[in-house]
Amino acid sequence: NAGVTQTPKFRILKIGQSMTLQCTQDMNHNYMYWYRQDPGMGLKLIYYSVGAGITDKGEVPNGYNVSRSTTEDFPLRLELAAPSQTSVYFCASSYGSTTNEKLFFGSGTQLSVL
Amino acid sequence: GIQVEQSPPDLILQEGANSTLRCNFSDSVNNLQWFHQNPWGQLINLFYIPSGTKQNGRLSATTVATERYSLLYISSSQTTDSGVYFCAGGNNDMRFGAGTRLTVKP
Repeated sequence: NAGVTQTPKFRILKIGQSMTLQCTQDMNHNYMYWYRQDPGMGLKLIYYSVGAGITDKGEVPNGYNVSRSTTEDFPLRLELAAPSQTSVYFCASSYGSTTNEKLFFGSGTQLSVL
Repeated sequence: GIQVEQSPPDLILQEGANSTLRCNFSDSVNNLQWFHQNPWGQLINLFYIPSGTKQNGRLSATTVATERYSLLYISSSQTTDSGVYFCAGGNNDMRFGAGTRLTVKP
């Protein structure tokens, strides 16, 4: 099993450009999450999904969009990139059941907006 | 949303020492987990512990759900324990604390 796979690992964007961060999991997990982590800080929840077709805003959703058309994939879209979106982005997934809700993380995407 | 507070923010130990990290939640949660982020940024799940006590080697964790806090104990610390320890909790949405940065000196 590959677990949670994020692509790309690194990306540099110019201000105003758009891009999609990809996240896929092969564990048949229901729940998926997107977080951002600024240097020296904790993780902030951007969006999350409890199943295909369902998404909800987290703490810092402005400037981002998500979709969940399949159980496996949860892409994060940045529109009109801004320097404030420079961060490391982590995708995570879990079963979401009451007995097995451990979060598994991808290796992260380091994004710089210049 | 739920607020998560971690203490202390920084901790420096000599190898072999013990430590206790604390996590407080602003409201009840049905999911609570502890993570270790290594110096390369990788996040490793240590415990899923919405209540009770669990142990894994030199690490153990206790959650008192009625009082909305959790403790992570590290015994006989090693240099490889260095990194940042996060707790996270929530219901459907999982919120993270700011972390405790642990440095273990040889």
